[in-house]
Amino acid sequence: EPEVTQTPSHQVTQMGQEVILRCVPISNHLYFYWYRQILGQKVEFLVSFYNNEISEKSEIFDDQFSVERPDGSNFTLKIRSTKLEDSAMYFCASSEGFGTTNYGYTFGSGTRLTVV
Amino acid sequence: RKEVEQDPGPFNVPEGATVAFNCTYSNSASQSFFWYRQDCRKEPKLLMSVYSSGNEDGRFTAQLNRASQYISLLIRDSKLSDSATYLCAGSGGSNYKLTFGKGTLLTVNP
Repeated sequence: EPEVTQTPSHQVTQMGQEVILRCVPISNHLYFYWYRQILGQKVEFLVSFYNNEISEKSEIFDDQFSVERPDGSNFTLKIRSTKLEDSAMYFCASSEGFGTTNYGYTFGSGTRLTVV
Repeated sequence: RKEVEQDPGPFNVPEGATVAFNCTYSNSASQSFFWYRQDCRKEPKLLMSVYSSGNEDGRFTAQLNRASQYISLLIRDSKLSDSATYLCAGSGGSNYKLTFGKGTLLTVNP
């Protein structure tokens, strides 16, 4: 079964440092997403990406965040200057879009980011 | 503004019990609804899509009431392996983003 792959599984970084979280979505999917989940809280939408550009972003996704699909395969989330409150599990997801049950949504296994 | 709200839980039930989870949503633009299961520190995994006519998958039954903006999940004959957090989610708009509830923790005890 095709899967969404995320690396690393766990990243520890110092406050103020830049981090890049990497994802390889399912190859025939068209929509790509990042979600995050702070420990004990709900899964929150960060950003969606379609046709090589951001299609929607939440108010969490401020200027410190950016996304890229540099080579048609990887999908990255960059946090420019990490804060303690950025510590969370970050999930990448991809979707086929309309016409399928659940829109063919698949989540990766996540990257646990710890900012110290 | 909370778009999706769930029973706070936690639910502790014995094996074999029937348990029901409820979820309300406030965004009437939401078009599709889902139940996800999330194990501790893992990604959400789709359990069921939810249809207005109600749908069943083995021991699991999901229901959607658009008039009341209400979603439910019923688990019959619960197993130890059903222990997890159950998330309801709504989706709408052109980007198919999901809006999740906070989740309800279920523990099935032997």
